[in-house]
Amino acid sequence: QQQVKQSPQSLIVQKGGIPIINCAYENTAFDYFPWYQQFPGKGPALLIAIRPDVSEKKEGRFTISFNKSAKQFSLHIMDSQPGDSATYFCAATQPTGGGNKLTFGTGTQLKVEL
Amino acid sequence: NAGVMQNPRHLVRRRGQEARLRCSPMKGHSHVYWYRQLPEEGLKFMVYLQKENIIDESGMPKERFSAEFPKEGPSILRIQQVVRGDSAAYFCASSPTQYREAFFGQGTRLTVV
Repeated sequence: QQQVKQSPQSLIVQKGGIPIINCAYENTAFDYFPWYQQFPGKGPALLIAIRPDVSEKKEGRFTISFNKSAKQFSLHIMDSQPGDSATYFCAATQPTGGGNKLTFGTGTQLKVEL
Repeated sequence: NAGVMQNPRHLVRRRGQEARLRCSPMKGHSHVYWYRQLPEEGLKFMVYLQKENIIDESGMPKERFSAEFPKEGPSILRIQQVVRGDSAAYFCASSPTQYREAFFGQGTRLTVV
């Protein structure tokens, strides 16, 4: 059962555009929602994260929008650059005694063209 | 402060052989997570360990897979009698405490031929 659904699978935008990646979750116990960026041959790196008590969080050109009632959250990349071309994963965790176990979405391959 | 170190970066094994993947956490980190990434898929949690203890192995296949994190030395993910379906990228992540953010290594890409 896919607990975090991510779309689209791939995305191509022009330089300066605003790609938007969407995720939806089912488990209402999730309480922390990070986004990861992964370049080919590398491990995922934390980009930005949000908790459900806020509806939006901005860090530089990256913004997370969060809709708790719809159980959806999205990543917006402002003024996208070719260097942003990577695979982006949304994820979620829930408070358990088992540490910070992440449930990942299936990923979005983003390509930013000149 | 070096990041999470995984070795080898690439590993080729024939069907039926054993694969041993190593993960050295960041300095001061005593919590380790292992994830598997199949082609065109997201990462899937396998196991969470603290020094000398397995805390959560709910994502580990019931057979052939085992993990350890000894008092001294790296964490080891061991896959016995590998099959082609084990071909994947295996990532390790470490964190200083149970609830702090974990940092990922660059992964070990296992190919079973």
